[in-house]
Amino acid sequence: GAVVSQHPSRVICKSGTSVKIECRSLDFQATTMFWYRQFPKQSLMLMATSNEGSKATYEQGVEKDKFLINHASLTLSTLTVTSAHPEDSSFYICSAIQGVNTEAFFGQGTRLTVV
Amino acid sequence: AQSVTQLDSQVPVFEEAPVELRCNYSSSVSVYLFWYVQYPNQGLQLLLKYLSGSTLVKSINGFEAEFNKSQTSFHLRKPSVHISDTAEYFCAVSRGSGTYKYIFGTGTRLKVLA
Repeated sequence: GAVVSQHPSRVICKSGTSVKIECRSLDFQATTMFWYRQFPKQSLMLMATSNEGSKATYEQGVEKDKFLINHASLTLSTLTVTSAHPEDSSFYICSAIQGVNTEAFFGQGTRLTVV
Repeated sequence: AQSVTQLDSQVPVFEEAPVELRCNYSSSVSVYLFWYVQYPNQGLQLLLKYLSGSTLVKSINGFEAEFNKSQTSFHLRKPSVHISDTAEYFCAVSRGSGTYKYIFGTGTRLKVLA
């Protein structure tokens, strides 16, 4: 199956700083990528949908100025958590699809800890 | 709106015993259904999926699930579990007309006991 890679797998940052998470489709061109957030012992919540070359579409309640998403190429999307706070600590997972009506492939996730 | 319900948050079971993880969904349109497995501190791995055709779908490691339209269910079963099956299992339903947007259930933690 197709491979989606996230980097870093773990990151610790200080409160008030920004951190960038990368999501790459390694062997296919991803027209659309999705970013999810998972709180401890809870399910995945879709944060936003990003299409290559256009602005991301955020789900209701997600602060777009805090969670900046850039999908600059067909193989890379980035999520930047700006001015991070401890409550932003979470597990962030991306997924990618190659076209419409196709299966989504998930990255291995990034655990963000804000101290 | 679509939703997914996994009633069991935790399921302890002894090794080599059978297990069923329940998943019910609500939707006014046709859906695609998925089961994903998540091991600690890892991303999601697709276990099996139902898109169309045979309502019974199987994975390579012995899991199976049956799509039951009348009961709006997609329960996951395995006749004999192993210690290595200990993980979090998520049921998901596609959102919208495509198969790419997912709504996830709250997950079921399967713990296999020796």
